[in-house]
Amino acid sequence: DGGITQSPKYLFRKEGQNVTLSCEQNLNHDAMYWYRQDPGQGLRLIYYSQIVNDFQKGDIAEGYSVSREKKESFPLTVTSAQKNPTAFYLCASREGQLYGYTFGSGTRLTVV
Amino acid sequence: QKEVEQNSGPLSVPEGAIASLNCTYSDRGSQSFFWYRQYSGKSPELIMFIYSNGDKEDGRFTAQLNKASQYVSLLIRDSQPSDSATYLCVPRGNQFYFGTGTSLTVIP
Repeated sequence: DGGITQSPKYLFRKEGQNVTLSCEQNLNHDAMYWYRQDPGQGLRLIYYSQIVNDFQKGDIAEGYSVSREKKESFPLTVTSAQKNPTAFYLCASREGQLYGYTFGSGTRLTVV
Repeated sequence: QKEVEQNSGPLSVPEGAIASLNCTYSDRGSQSFFWYRQYSGKSPELIMFIYSNGDKEDGRFTAQLNKASQYVSLLIRDSQPSDSATYLCVPRGNQFYFGTGTSLTVIP
């Protein structure tokens, strides 16, 4: 079955450490997205990519970086510059701008 | 002004009742909407899409769109405890914006 796989499900980061969240899709979607969700809050867009080797910043891109070397993969790196990274991270994809999102199951990141 | 306004709730209904979730929107150019459901601690899931005035039914769910009054609704008939979740109304043209949605609790 097609879908989006995020890993790991839980991730712990030490102060000053960079960590990378994985997102893989086999839906053949061109567009992929990263959102962050804090408790009781809505989703906030971090980065998105509409095509391989191209990506754009969202509303809260500071302290994050992405790459899109393959259509299927859109990893997110949370750098040490992100001072408050504890949150639920959601990767999504869609067929085009007028289609609904398919979300992965998320990665819960905690700073220890 | 936010493009879409939803009552954040929480909305509580007894099991078997009709739950009514409502959104109003400000952009008259918005032609269609998605409804997502998000269970606590889980990722959102697309459950309905409506693009024309009137009702769209899918099982126990009915989406309603009224372009003249600029509101969109989701009705859940015969509500079940498993329907307890947050429901998000998202305009098709601006899916970058996800509000906090409406939290629904169905009481057994």
